[in-house]
Amino acid sequence: QVQLQESGPGLVKPSQTLSLTCTVSGDSISRGAHYWNWIRQPPGKGLEWMGYIYYNGKTHYNPSLQSRASISVDTSRNQVSLQMTSVTAADTAVYYCATTPLAMATVRHAFDIWGQGTMVTVSS
Amino acid sequence: SFVLTQPPSVSVAPGQTARITCEENTIGRKSVHWYQQKPGQAPVMVVYDDSDRPSGIPERFSGSNSGNTATLTIGRVEAGDEADYYCQVWDNIDLEVTFGGGTKLTVL
Repeated sequence: QVQLQESGPGLVKPSQTLSLTCTVSGDSISRGAHYWNWIRQPPGKGLEWMGYIYYNGKTHYNPSLQSRASISVDTSRNQVSLQMTSVTAADTAVYYCATTPLAMATVRHAFDIWGQGTMVTVSS
Repeated sequence: SFVLTQPPSVSVAPGQTARITCEENTIGRKSVHWYQQKPGQAPVMVVYDDSDRPSGIPERFSGSNSGNTATLTIGRVEAGDEADYYCQVWDNIDLEVTFGGGTKLTVL
């Protein structure tokens, strides 16, 4: 069973770059059985999908992020990373890593496994 | 992109049936997925592809989708079902994920 663990700094200053890592256990990213997504949730609000990556580096992002987000994969470490530039208070949220089974990816694109999430606060 | 509309809240007595809706003009032509999120926890998929249940999800959870409304039905509601529920679809035109705004289920 795949398990996901998000990690990164809990506090980021405005205008700086947010960097988070999702460490995958229970499966190898290189096996290509999943797409890997980032989803965030501001305090007290709903869910926002940010984008996905496949093991071969194929990515797709939520256009609303206006090119500020970048997702990468390190197959040697079995990790997926998120970078978000020029952050503001509006980027304060819990950030989740979640998987989409290959058979559903880009066709029906559901999220079957989620990490526990990591809270990021943007504040000076 | 499009908007998925959910009622902000639904209340139901224990043992009764809860129905949570997700509305959009063309939703009947899409695959709808549902997630349960308890306070302080990550979401959990409870229904996918309109009406299929992941392993480990009780049969009390079921889904349907037709016309402009998808519905998550929870039978014989228990106190432990109290949570926020989100619907979600994949927009295969704009190639993006859309979540509904979420519905808070209260068990009276």
